[in-house]
Amino acid sequence: EIVMTQSPDTLSVSLGESVTLSCRASQSVTNNLAWYQQRPGQAPRLLIYSASSRASGIPARFSGSGSGTEFTLTISSLQSEDSGVYYCQQCFDWPPNFSFGQGTRLEIK
Amino acid sequence: VKLVESGGGLVKPGGSLRLSCAASGFSFSDYYMSWVRQPPGKGLQWISYISQTGNTAYYADSVKGRFTMSRDNGKNFVFLQMDSLRAEDTALYYCTRRNYNDNWGQGTLVTVSS
Repeated sequence: EIVMTQSPDTLSVSLGESVTLSCRASQSVTNNLAWYQQRPGQAPRLLIYSASSRASGIPARFSGSGSGTEFTLTISSLQSEDSGVYYCQQCFDWPPNFSFGQGTRLEIK
Repeated sequence: VKLVESGGGLVKPGGSLRLSCAASGFSFSDYYMSWVRQPPGKGLQWISYISQTGNTAYYADSVKGRFTMSRDNGKNFVFLQMDSLRAEDTALYYCTRRNYNDNWGQGTLVTVSS
């Protein structure tokens, strides 16, 4: 099983600033990596797929990078609605076992 | 794209439950579908994935042998038959589209408790 580890567990950043979240895979997942945002009380939504492609309707403030085992999600010009928990997920393992990271909680000050 | 889950509820340990997911707004038979769950206050867990035809389904080790995913391409439904339920299966169950989960339902809550 591929283990996904996110860092940090929690983050508190000021409005308007930028932030970078990290995700590490226990073995290479090439670029088969997705990022999700989950706001309180809502279902998750896809932000980034294939490590760096923005999903439909996602603002350019969200960007993903990385390959192999190290990935980052950068959010620039932070807004209040960016608060929530962010998850990474690998979609590389076959037969499928598409594990998620434990999540990073982002608070906007 | 719309995904609407139903069928959750309270069930005793060892019991069974069948979840349904009604899909609309896209060519359903063209897509793999998934189930992802979230225990209360915890993170996301991938649990199952089914091919476009429904011929092949894959499962997380934690549910293998107890859960069965299926689909009806004529009626645009996905199902999750859950048997031998345990307390640790208590979670909000989401139906999603594709491996990248590009669309999510609102979830249906399953509570396993005596």
